[in-house]
Amino acid sequence: GAGVSQTPSNKVTEKGKYVELRCDPISGHTALYWYRQSLGQGPEFLIYFQGTGAADDSGLPNDRFFAVRPEGSVSTLKIQRTERGDSAVYLCASSDKGLAGPQAEQFFGPGTRLTVL
Amino acid sequence: AQSVTQLDSQVPVFEEAPVELRCNYSSSVSVYLFWYVQYPNQGLQLLLKYLSGSTLVKGINGFEAEFNKSQTSFHLRKPSVHISDTAEYFCAVSSNTGGFKTIFGAGTRLFVKA
Repeated sequence: GAGVSQTPSNKVTEKGKYVELRCDPISGHTALYWYRQSLGQGPEFLIYFQGTGAADDSGLPNDRFFAVRPEGSVSTLKIQRTERGDSAVYLCASSDKGLAGPQAEQFFGPGTRLTVL
Repeated sequence: AQSVTQLDSQVPVFEEAPVELRCNYSSSVSVYLFWYVQYPNQGLQLLLKYLSGSTLVKGINGFEAEFNKSQTSFHLRKPSVHISDTAEYFCAVSSNTGGFKTIFGAGTRLFVKA
């Protein structure tokens, strides 16, 4: 079956612009995660959704970052007033065991590479 | 707070040789431990995980890892590597008291040479 997909695969923008990154999780997966991966680093947790609600957004670095999942499937990560330091690969993952979140295997998408000039 | 340290950023090894990728974690509570692999131009995928029970965990592609609570380690091993094992390997930790946050290490790049 289809895995987690993310669009676009690459996004180049200018400092100060607004961007949206999309994640399509595996069908039926109730849990969805966003991570940020900088060069030479592991994924850094940003936010976790259980269904439509953000159950844990403690990883969002500041109020320029926001994510939604209005119908409990597709999610959009929104970054306002982008800065050069936001350049990274943004990863999305989903899991089908939301109630056992910390134990669950996460299925990752290929990521969106964001470059802020 | 939890943290993960992967002690080697790069591990070069010849084909058919054994390999160990080291991972240490820090946590004041019981943890769940994972190893994920990222092949070139692909998303991360789970190799294996430790939740409870037997401390020796077997995963896909012939990999295994051993949970050592006293040394707070979860090292990944394979007795004989193949060229196709060349990838980035990430150790990760989560817990029931850490919300739904999974903390990843910085990764170890395994490079298998012919």
